[in-house]
Amino acid sequence: SYVLTQPPSVSVAPGETASITCGGSNIRFQSVHWYQQKPGQAPVLVLCHDDDRPSGIPERFSGSSSGNTATLTISRLEAGDEADYYCQVWDNNRDLGVFGGGTKLTVL
Amino acid sequence: EVQLVESGGDLVQSGGSLRLSCEASGFTFNNFWVSWVRQAPGKGLEWVANMKQDGSEKYYVDSVRGRFTISRDNVKNSLYLEMTSLRAEDTAIYYCARERRPLPTGSFFDYWGRGTLVTVSS
Repeated sequence: SYVLTQPPSVSVAPGETASITCGGSNIRFQSVHWYQQKPGQAPVLVLCHDDDRPSGIPERFSGSSSGNTATLTISRLEAGDEADYYCQVWDNNRDLGVFGGGTKLTVL
Repeated sequence: EVQLVESGGDLVQSGGSLRLSCEASGFTFNNFWVSWVRQAPGKGLEWVANMKQDGSEKYYVDSVRGRFTISRDNVKNSLYLEMTSLRAEDTAIYYCARERRPLPTGSFFDYWGRGTLVTVSS
């Protein structure tokens, strides 16, 4: 089955740029989606199709994908961005959803 | 406003059964695939199952296939998950999520409920 690998944690100072990676075999050929989950809350979609922002998501959130790595980038980091972030793809061969293990973003 | 409200979570003994419900509002329910996604305590997200608009297609993750059954009632705008032969590893918050399915790239989840907690005691 398809596996997505994320770093367990990333720590960045306020105002700086955070990059959260998501590794998967030839992920550049997949459509990658990203979710933000704050403690005690449901996940929220922050990016779909690698770099499309749903309505209400700040322009500070962007994404890219190349080779075997997709990246969620959050610029001008704010305290409110502190959360767990998950990448997700769809395994079309088996018709099932696949999530990465999640990355805890700490704003120092 | 799109809303998904789960219910039915409970404490159940290993080997027992439980039925979860998800009531949808704020959108045309029978126009969308819907999924169940779960999250074990302190762990990541795991997709569990989904169902097509008319119920003609349904898919499951390997770990629940044969034990869980997904269904829907488009008149009641509701999604269900019948869980049997429950195991300790099924302990999780179960989320209902609306699925966007832009072929050929595959699905993502644009709205989520707040979840319902299932605890299986061993």
